Amino acid sequence: GQQVMQIPQYQHVQEGEDFTTYCNSSTTLSNIQWYKQRPGGHPVFLIQLVKSGEVKKQKRLTFQFGEAKKNSSLHITATQTTDVGTYFCAGRNNDMRFGAGTRLTVKP
Amino acid sequence: EAQVTQNPRYLITVTGKKLTVTCSQNMNHEYMSWYRQDPGLGLRQIYYSMNVEVTDKGDVPEGYKVSRKEKRNFPLILESPSPNQTSLYFCASSFDGSSGNTIYFGEGSWLTVV
Repeated sequence: GQQVMQIPQYQHVQEGEDFTTYCNSSTTLSNIQWYKQRPGGHPVFLIQLVKSGEVKKQKRLTFQFGEAKKNSSLHITATQTTDVGTYFCAGRNNDMRFGAGTRLTVKP
Repeated sequence: EAQVTQNPRYLITVTGKKLTVTCSQNMNHEYMSWYRQDPGLGLRQIYYSMNVEVTDKGDVPEGYKVSRKEKRNFPLILESPSPNQTSLYFCASSFDGSSGNTIYFGEGSWLTVV
């Protein structure tokens, strides 16, 4: 069945450093969504990517969808303490499948 | 305010004692689902519902039941809870189950089964 793998599981960075999390699917996706879960909170929708090779930006966050629509990445430039949390990708083929998430911690 | 509300938020219960976690959404969404979140495993879907009276198993349905008698409500039932069902549970909804719809999550319910 469809699987969505996400790496790394954890990432600890110094404030101001960059951060990237990667998602890979075993099957071609129709779209991929990204969610952020703050510590103690619930997942909140960030963005959706639909087109092959699509790149979208939200301030310091850059989201990419691979040409083959089987992988995606989220890159944060110059992390801030407000970026802490777990970032999930969710890929849709027939069903929506969530990656295991990448937990980001930021040292001030 | 658009929201997904689930109760209780925190619960400690004993093995075998039936419990229900309620979920309600005020967005008139057709699609609702339940997830459990465990360390290192992310969000795994338990059950989902495409509309009233239509429910289907997700990836980890064993030990759970659901019902969808009304559009806004989607309770999760644990008939005989066991310790391996200790987890953080999220109810979620979206406009419909098709591609492209944002999923809205409830605040989460921490369940401990001893």
